[in-house]
Amino acid sequence: QITLKESGPTLVKPTQTLTLTCTFSGFSVNSSGVGVGWIRQPPGKALEWLALIYWNNYKRYSPSLKSRLSITEDTSNDQVVLTMANMDPVDTATYYCAHSSDILTGYFDFWGQGTLVTVSS
Amino acid sequence: SYVLTQPPSLSVAPGQTARITCGGYKIGIKSVHWYQQKPGQAPVLVVYYDTDRPSGIPERFSGSNSGNTATLAISRVEAGDEADYYCQVWGVSSDHEGVFGGGTKLTVL
Repeated sequence: QITLKESGPTLVKPTQTLTLTCTFSGFSVNSSGVGVGWIRQPPGKALEWLALIYWNNYKRYSPSLKSRLSITEDTSNDQVVLTMANMDPVDTATYYCAHSSDILTGYFDFWGQGTLVTVSS
Repeated sequence: SYVLTQPPSLSVAPGQTARITCGGYKIGIKSVHWYQQKPGQAPVLVVYYDTDRPSGIPERFSGSNSGNTATLAISRVEAGDEADYYCQVWGVSSDHEGVFGGGTKLTVL
């Protein structure tokens, strides 16, 4: 079965760069049609779409955060990495990674449990 | 940027039908997906491609999409359906990014 799990720091300081790793099993990011995305959710607020990478290295980013985000894949370790530069307290949120089966419509059919990242000095 | 508008809250009695709307400009020409999120849990996909259900999702969950409004309907509402519900679309601009609605808190009376 497909599983995903996020890992990374729970606390970062303002202006630092956040690096989150999504480790998955049950699929290969090299498989045609497969993608992994990142979504975040500030405490008590709505989901926010961040970035997505597909098997063919097709990458997409939220326009409002594009300058700060980078998404890459490590196929040898079955991982996808998200980096977000210049962190601010407003970036405090639970960050989820999720599996996507459809490059045309980008729905997420499997999700990780999420990891809470707090930005504070 | 493309905006998806959902009512913040909806209350329904058990056994009734809940209809959660998601408004967006010409959303009817896009594929809409719906997620259910219970407190402290990750979201779960309940409807994709406007009307399709993943395996394991009850037939009580159904979707429709036309014009400027997509709708998630939950028939014979149960206490266990109480959750936040989010709509999502893809490819909303030349950047082909995704976007979520603001979410609707469904309360079962």
